[in-house]
Amino acid sequence: AQKITQTQPGMFVQEKEAVTLDCTYDTSDQSYGLFWYKQPSSGEMIFLIYQGSYDEQNATEGRYSLNFQKARKSANLVISASQLGDSAMYFCAMEGNQGGKLIFGQGTELSVKP
Amino acid sequence: DTEVTQTPKHLVMGMTNKKSLKCEQHMGHRAMYWYKQKAKKPPELMFVYSYEKLSINESVPSRFSPECPNSSLLNLHLHALQPEDSALYLCASSQVGGGTYTDTQYFGPGTRLTVL
Repeated sequence: AQKITQTQPGMFVQEKEAVTLDCTYDTSDQSYGLFWYKQPSSGEMIFLIYQGSYDEQNATEGRYSLNFQKARKSANLVISASQLGDSAMYFCAMEGNQGGKLIFGQGTELSVKP
Repeated sequence: DTEVTQTPKHLVMGMTNKKSLKCEQHMGHRAMYWYKQKAKKPPELMFVYSYEKLSINESVPSRFSPECPNSSLLNLHLHALQPEDSALYLCASSQVGGGTYTDTQYFGPGTRLTVL
């Protein structure tokens, strides 16, 4: 069975500092994709970044980077230079070979302090 | 800006009402999804349509009835709901669906449903 674990229910970070949100996963699939989504209080799930299981380089998208450690089965999200608008719930998710099912973690609520 | 739109943004309905949620995507995607999300919890998959055919039904009660009139539109028909069905309903789309692990799902803004 596939599983995503996010161990930080809530986190605080000072504006302009970097923050790492943890995500570990468990799967027996050889091919899988890892995703991070941001969900502000408005409700929309915003896609941030994707890492494929065969990608050798860590994914980056602007201020977001994904620290992918395959042997440890971890896919941590790093947000550089935090902004007040980064305050939101962040979900790590995985898709394997199971017909379009995204498996989500429980989420981490990030609060950015001015 | 999201290219997945959902209407209405908010919906309040009684337990005897019939209503529908609508979702439209403008990205040429061939897979569309309905999720239900309770506060502070991850989304739960309800239905998946791939190439306009229902490919996944996660044992959702029959008071929820999905419909995919074409590859751009997805409806969720609601009838005789219970107060515990109150939640955020999210629609998503992706290029192909069907277990392609590189297939990113893009979500709409959601409909906040309250059942009285």
